[in-house]
Amino acid sequence: DAKTTQPPSMDCAEGRAANLPCNHSTISGNEYVYWYRQIHSQGPQYIIHGLKNNETNEMASLIITEDRKSSTLILPHATLRDTAVYYCIVRGQQNTGNQFYFGTGTSLTVIP
Amino acid sequence: NAGVTQTPKFQVLKTGQSMTLQCAQDMNHNSMYWYRQDPGMGLRLIYYSASEGTTDKGEVPNGYNVSRLNKREFSLRLESAAPSQTSVYFCASSLSDRYGYTFGSGTRLTVV
Repeated sequence: DAKTTQPPSMDCAEGRAANLPCNHSTISGNEYVYWYRQIHSQGPQYIIHGLKNNETNEMASLIITEDRKSSTLILPHATLRDTAVYYCIVRGQQNTGNQFYFGTGTSLTVIP
Repeated sequence: NAGVTQTPKFQVLKTGQSMTLQCAQDMNHNSMYWYRQDPGMGLRLIYYSASEGTTDKGEVPNGYNVSRLNKREFSLRLESAAPSQTSVYFCASSLSDRYGYTFGSGTRLTVV
C-alpha cells in the first residue's frame, strides 16, 4: 500500500478555510485517496474520496495534484465542530480484499 | 436507520477472561471490519470480512478470533484477555471495496 504523510497538527481560525495536506508519493495508478475524520474518540466518519479529479461534496473539497503524489482536503468555512483528527488514506489492493489502513492523521483545532 | 451498532459500549475484564464483542449493521453492506485504537495512535485493522462466509487477518490479529455470523453480524472474540488488549474497538462496514466505511461508536475495553 502507498504510504501517506500528514502534519501531526494544525490550527485554523473559525470561519476560515482549513487546508489539510497529505503526501502520497508512492501512490499507484488504481489507488484512490480517501479522507476520514474522528471527533473526540467517536467512530471515524467518511468525508470524501477521489482518484485523479478534484471532488466536492457537502462536507469538503478534495484537490489532487496532477501527478497524484499529494492532495489537500479543504473545509471551506471551518467551525468549532470541525475540530477532529483527519486521516488521509490511500486504499490498496490486498490478496483477498481491500481495506483501509489508518495512520495517526492530522489533529485539526478550530480556534474561535 | 441505526447504521453500525456495537455492544457493549464499555467492558472491564480480568486477565484470562474471555468475551465477545458484537457488531451488527442494517445497511445491507457486504464487507465488515474490526479495528482497535490505542491512546495517541491511529486505527489498526484486526480482522475483516469481505463478504458473508469469509474472514481474513489484518495487521494485528494475534489474540483474536472473528465470526461472520450472517450478512448483518460480525463478532470479535477474545479467548484469554491480556492487559495489552486494553483498547477502544471499532467495527465498520462498507457496501463494497470502492465505498467509504461506516463506523460504529466503539467498545471501550479495559483488561486488568
